[in-house]
Amino acid sequence: NAGVTQTPKFQVLKTGQSMTLQCAQDMNHEYMSWYRQDPGMGLRLIHYSVGAGITDQGEVPNGYNVSRSTTEDFPLRLLSAAPSQTSVYFCASKQASGAGLYEQYFGPGTRLTVT
Amino acid sequence: AQKITQTQPGMFVQEKEAVTLDCTYDTSDQSYGLFWYKQPSSGEMIFLIYQGSYDEQNATEGRYSLNFQKARKSANLVISASQLGDSAMYFCAMRERSNFGNEKLTFGTGTRLTIIP
Repeated sequence: NAGVTQTPKFQVLKTGQSMTLQCAQDMNHEYMSWYRQDPGMGLRLIHYSVGAGITDQGEVPNGYNVSRSTTEDFPLRLLSAAPSQTSVYFCASKQASGAGLYEQYFGPGTRLTVT
Repeated sequence: AQKITQTQPGMFVQEKEAVTLDCTYDTSDQSYGLFWYKQPSSGEMIFLIYQGSYDEQNATEGRYSLNFQKARKSANLVISASQLGDSAMYFCAMRERSNFGNEKLTFGTGTRLTIIP
């Protein structure tokens, strides 16, 4: 198993450009999510999905779009990049919701800089 | 109001000593889960330990243990016999149920632990 993979590892964008951060998992996890990590602020949830065709907003969704057409993939789209979106982005996945230990598995992260 | 509070931005600990990283949380849910993750300088997030709100015993995983005090809403991570490889950022996180009964993690701001040889 490759686990959770993210591409690219690094990206520099100019203000106003658009791009898609890719995330894929091969563990057949229903739940996938995107977080951003900024200095001194921990990780904040952007969007999440509980299965193919179902997505919902997290804590900081503005400026980002997501879709989930397959169980494996959960891309994050920046429609018009802004310097405030400079951050490290983590994708995560886990088994279906429920009680008990279902930790989230994180990808290696994408470091995005918007100039 | 912050849901997860980690009050120690940084800590320095001598190698082989035990260390406690503090975490307090705020929730009105009866069913919730608490996690600790480690983030080394390489950047990946590594799951360490989990405590469910209904678990009666404190969770342990090797050198890691979670000191869960439900009434005080605290979930401190204890690392015994610290090693140089323990130097990293440590995040406390809480799992609650969102509006649709699904789960999301809320993270604290982290504690940077440095182990001194």
